[in-house]
Amino acid sequence: DSGVTQTPKHLITATGQRVTLRCSPRSGDLSVYWYQQSLDQGLQFLIQYYNGEERAKGNILERFSAQQFPDLHSELNLSSLELGDSALYFCASSPNTGAAYGYTFGSGTRLTVV
Amino acid sequence: EDKVVQSPLSLVVHEGDTVTLNCSYEVTNFRSLLWYKQEKKAPTFLFMLTSSGIEKKSGRLSSILDKKELFSILNITATQTGDSAVYLCAVSTFISSGSARQLTFGSGTQLTVLP
Repeated sequence: DSGVTQTPKHLITATGQRVTLRCSPRSGDLSVYWYQQSLDQGLQFLIQYYNGEERAKGNILERFSAQQFPDLHSELNLSSLELGDSALYFCASSPNTGAAYGYTFGSGTRLTVV
Repeated sequence: EDKVVQSPLSLVVHEGDTVTLNCSYEVTNFRSLLWYKQEKKAPTFLFMLTSSGIEKKSGRLSSILDKKELFSILNITATQTGDSAVYLCAVSTFISSGSARQLTFGSGTQLTVLP
């Protein structure tokens, strides 16, 4: 157990729907990062939050949004889902604002859009 | 745009073989290079390298960084079936405030070790 908790583990939903993925960072970590991993794209950075504020944005679609709450857990909201959104979504955390010393990853949420 | 390229994409060997995985990078304001192993789910940390020429070693795995030529290699000796995984290389860079950015990952090398 890495200490980073992601729920749910698996999610199957239809196109056009909206889902929320949840992440609790490792105790003491203030930064949360979201990545999308699909077969042909590798790990793609989506967004980072640090202590409740958005810190950096990557290749995140406008249909996707995220937030980090006062208790430091984070949610990634995916709306108007398309088949191409099917992927493994990872959350990772780090103690500080950046990733100089790497991340601790959660086990991921596998999203299947049918 | 920061870029991390790994090769080969896929590698199949027999138990006992030695393998070398490559990672090259083109980034602005390099901070560190990290190697991760991804089996079925979450990537797990292997090494972090910040200085050229200093080998990091953990059991049968070792890694070294060349900051002049902008690459790193990950060596695995006496491979075992349990080494089968995707090996990911990632680079961390500085931003102007002095803190580090998020990691940029390569696409990974799929290693399969046959008995």
